[in-house]
Amino acid sequence: DTGVSQDPRHKITKRGQNVTFRCDPISEHNRLYWYRQTLGQGPEFLTYFQNEAQLEKSRLLSDRFSAERPKGSFSTLEIQRTEQGDSAMYLCASSLRGYGYTFGSGTRLTVV
Amino acid sequence: AQSVTQPDIHITVSEGASLELRCNYSYGATPYLFWYVQSPGQGLQLLLKYFSGDTLVQGIKGFEAEFKRSQSSFNLRKPSVHWSDAAEYFCAVGASMEYGNKLVFGAGTILRVKS
Repeated sequence: DTGVSQDPRHKITKRGQNVTFRCDPISEHNRLYWYRQTLGQGPEFLTYFQNEAQLEKSRLLSDRFSAERPKGSFSTLEIQRTEQGDSAMYLCASSLRGYGYTFGSGTRLTVV
Repeated sequence: AQSVTQPDIHITVSEGASLELRCNYSYGATPYLFWYVQSPGQGLQLLLKYFSGDTLVQGIKGFEAEFKRSQSSFNLRKPSVHWSDAAEYFCAVGASMEYGNKLVFGAGTILRVKS
């Protein structure tokens, strides 16, 4: 058990570019969550997978955002046509049940 | 909707002094409550959680928290702070969705420890 891994740790991109982040959950965890944390705020829920099914999406997840979890293993979060307001820390968490979350170290996105 | 308020944005305490971080929540039923700690550039580490039962819960690193339903509070305490406790602390309440569960976080309290 190596915990939840996120890649990359940091990403700097120009406005309008597309970016993709990856999350590798704890192997036996069937639940996977994405959260976004902006400066000075707590994390906010974005989306939730149970196995490969995306079951919940926040209104924060605009049409420019898409998340996948093929085969119920790793997950990717893609942001198209990035905007400066997308600059944030993107956190992934996994759990086996309930609220037993394990968070990854996050991907910090800076849009310039 | 569920919400969490952490009234103190920054707190500074001397090393060895006691600490109390405040958290107030809004939730209709019996809440699931959590405290997480985040070091700079890192993810979140769970300190402790309250689901039911004894209202005083013990966590890791010598932290404890007390659930007070009448005050809708879940304050975090530590009797003697160490320099390594300097970090940002988040209180969160669990919220059920149609499928799965999410956490609703407060804005956080940054703890500074002076020697």
